[in-house]
Amino acid sequence: KQEVTQIPAALSVPEGENLVLNCSFTDSAIYNLQWFRQDPGKGLTSLLLIQSSQREQTSGRLNASLDKSSGRSTLYIAASQPGDSATYLCAVVDTGRRALTFGSGTRLQVQP
Amino acid sequence: DAGVTQSPTHLIKTRGQQVTLRCSPKSGHDTVSWYQQALGQGPQFIFQYYEEEERQRGNFPDRFSGHQFPNYSSELNVNALLLGDSALYLCASSWGDEQYFGPGTRLTVT
Repeated sequence: KQEVTQIPAALSVPEGENLVLNCSFTDSAIYNLQWFRQDPGKGLTSLLLIQSSQREQTSGRLNASLDKSSGRSTLYIAASQPGDSATYLCAVVDTGRRALTFGSGTRLQVQP
Repeated sequence: DAGVTQSPTHLIKTRGQQVTLRCSPKSGHDTVSWYQQALGQGPQFIFQYYEEEERQRGNFPDRFSGHQFPNYSSELNVNALLLGDSALYLCASSWGDEQYFGPGTRLTVT
């Protein structure tokens, strides 16, 4: 059974810092991996989707990498801003399946 | 283009009652998935519908059932509500690999 872990559970940084959020998964037979952002009490906003054949994806100040063989992904946020404060969730779709399996998220607070 | 929409936004029910939640997918999307998110946790997959059929199901009891209509919209029904069913219920739609989520329905069972 696939399990997804996100470390750290919470993170507080001053504005302007570059930061890395970590995601690990136990079964490397994944089809793709998706990073989401969730504001308190709200739905999920898709940030980046990485197919299993890809190593990284970039969108603006965000860069996500995938190392399938070691079961790890990282989300890099450059020049963090207070508006980046949210919970960031990592989720994988296993090969042959269709459901997203989520981690518990990293709660990020960027201090002005 | 409207994204994924869900109704109602909030709902309060009593133990033992039944509830129906609704989801309209993003335009052009034919697949709808439902997730349950308890406070402080990541979402848990309930089931997925495609072409009006349940295509895959997570580890949820039969009290949780669903339906997809010809216009791809979907309903989630929960019977015999338990206190533990209190959660944010999220709907996601997709056409390819990327899933897009709605704002969710907050269900409180008292």
